[in-house]
Amino acid sequence: GQNIDQPTEMTATEGAIVQINCTYQTSGFNGLFWYQQHAGEAPTFLSYNVLDGLEEKGRFSSFLSRSKGYSYLLLKELQMKDSASYLCAVRDSNYQLIWGAGTKLIIKP
Amino acid sequence: IAGITQAPTSQILAAGRRMTLRCTQDMRHNAMYWYRQDLGLGLRLIHYSNTAGTTGKGEVPDGYSVSRANTDDFPLTLASAVPSQTSVYFCASSSSGEGHNEQFFGPGTRLTVL
Repeated sequence: GQNIDQPTEMTATEGAIVQINCTYQTSGFNGLFWYQQHAGEAPTFLSYNVLDGLEEKGRFSSFLSRSKGYSYLLLKELQMKDSASYLCAVRDSNYQLIWGAGTKLIIKP
Repeated sequence: IAGITQAPTSQILAAGRRMTLRCTQDMRHNAMYWYRQDLGLGLRLIHYSNTAGTTGKGEVPDGYSVSRANTDDFPLTLASAVPSQTSVYFCASSSSGEGHNEQFFGPGTRLTVL
């Protein structure tokens, strides 16, 4: 079967750095996405990785290792507005997204 | 319209009733999707459409139907609602072809079936 694993919840301090991990087992791989979802709102796109390595976009970076079936999202200089759920999704061989359950990130002052 | 819209925002429905959730996008995206999101579970694909005139079944299609008469609209119909269909429903769209083609989401419809 297909499976995406990420921690259910994480807590971090304002101004700090946090890494959210995602491991996956899917039928085929055509890219990995990270989305942010604030409570009661729709998911919004953050990043995309299809090749191994690090993609940096401002305070957010995403890393991919295809051989290990592993990705992480790194958030730097955390702000209170970063409190949200972070969703990992893999595009499989049918070009459909398989979604993890999401990681709820709580930021404390 | 800017982006992707859904209607209604929320709905309480009696079991056995028929309900259509509406979704419209103005980005001229070829592909559209319907997901449901339940607490503790990832987004689950109900139905999708790669282009106008075609539809396909996702992971959890039973009890739902869709149509794609044109590029912009992708309604989701519950023929006879059951309590297990209580969920938040998201419609999404994406371009196809070259590029990473991320999905853009509508604001969601919160449906309660009693």
